[in-house]
Amino acid sequence: GQQLNQSPQSMFIQEGEDVSMNCTSSSIFNTWLWYKQDPGEGPVLLIALYKAGELTSNGRLTAQFGITRKDSFLNISASIPSDVGIYFCAGGISSGSARQLTFGSGTQLTVLP
Amino acid sequence: DAGITQSPRYKITETGRQVTLMCHQTWSHSYMFWYRQDLGHGLRLIYYSAAADITDKGEVPDGYVVSRSKTENFPLTLESATRSQTSVYFCASSERGEAFFGQGTRLTVV
Repeated sequence: GQQLNQSPQSMFIQEGEDVSMNCTSSSIFNTWLWYKQDPGEGPVLLIALYKAGELTSNGRLTAQFGITRKDSFLNISASIPSDVGIYFCAGGISSGSARQLTFGSGTQLTVLP
Repeated sequence: DAGITQSPRYKITETGRQVTLMCHQTWSHSYMFWYRQDLGHGLRLIYYSAAADITDKGEVPDGYVVSRSKTENFPLTLESATRSQTSVYFCASSERGEAFFGQGTRLTVV
């Protein structure tokens, strides 16, 4: 099946620093999504990207849908303690009634005071 | 309450027992999904549904059964639970390309 390579697996940063994480795939997707998961909770959608080359911001978060449709990145600017959590990318395909998301393995973000 | 809710939040069951995890959404989204989340494997799709009475297998369907008689409900049944099915299960719904997740059910099979 399809696989996503998400990197880095974990990051330790100082509060106020910027963060960047990315996902790459050998397959083409027509949707890229970024989620954040807090302990004991379900993933929460942060940003959805629907067009190749699209650059979208949500507050301090910025994400881009790669031109090749095989990659995406997420940037977090000026990190704060509540940014701690696991960030997942997901690539989506839709064909007829079939609609599936493939998830990356996640980036564990720790923000140090 | 609006959104997607799962029940129970926690469940302990014995090997061989049948257990059903419930999922209910209030958005009238067409698509619903069941994922399991395990350390080292991330989120893996078990089953999904494009509409009432339409379901299809995902990546790891063995040992699971789903039904969707109503748009808003998508229960997941483990017909004969095994220890390898100990996991956190997430239900999600979608209308466009994105998916919105419930809070999860932590299932332990002993």
